[in-house]
Amino acid sequence: NAGVTQTPKFQVLKTGQSMTLQCAQDMNHNSMYWYRQDPGMGLRLIYYSASEGTTDKGEVPNGYNVSRLNKREFSLRLESAAPSQTSVYFCASSGISGRVAITDTQYFGPGTRLTVL
Amino acid sequence: TQLLEQSPQFLSIQEGENLTVYCNSSSVFSSLQWYRQEPGEGPVLLVTVVTGGEVKKLKRLTFQFGDARKDSSLHITAAQPGDTGLYLCAGPRVYNQGGKLIFGQGTELSVKP
Repeated sequence: NAGVTQTPKFQVLKTGQSMTLQCAQDMNHNSMYWYRQDPGMGLRLIYYSASEGTTDKGEVPNGYNVSRLNKREFSLRLESAAPSQTSVYFCASSGISGRVAITDTQYFGPGTRLTVL
Repeated sequence: TQLLEQSPQFLSIQEGENLTVYCNSSSVFSSLQWYRQEPGEGPVLLVTVVTGGEVKKLKRLTFQFGDARKDSSLHITAAQPGDTGLYLCAGPRVYNQGGKLIFGQGTELSVKP
């Protein structure tokens, strides 16, 4: 039982390059999330998916796209990377099929450290 | 706009000292959670508080939810180097939009031996 896995762990891009961050969970969770973490700013939600086939914007969606490929996988794409997207990116999942509770635990992956030059 | 503000942002103490971290908002939350994040890893849930005035203990950690459900505190007794990390409070957005959480900016704790 691996929980939430993310690839890659580290990435360096040049301005204008594109890349996709991969995330997978094996806990049969309905909801999945992408966050970015910057010093002194906590975690900010980029996109989330409440269930397979649905996605919605979070607080800071500009410059990103997502795909909920199936129940297990939720990917984040940067089409044209900018230095402002240098950050640590976390994927998380929560919830059990058919139930969304206000106190559900979010389970986080280990993060992807992205630098855009 | 729902916001969670944590204080202090940084805390550096010696092993054995006590400390308190605060999480405040002008909005009412139906519940609040505390997560701990160790360097190079993702956050891990420590506790969820759901009732105003609730106190929960986890070994040397004591969590309290304010009576009005607008604030929470985390008290650590006799801190140890293993307590070092980033502590984040989080609460569900209004109407729990698909399980989305709002996070505070975090308190970075360093406990020196």
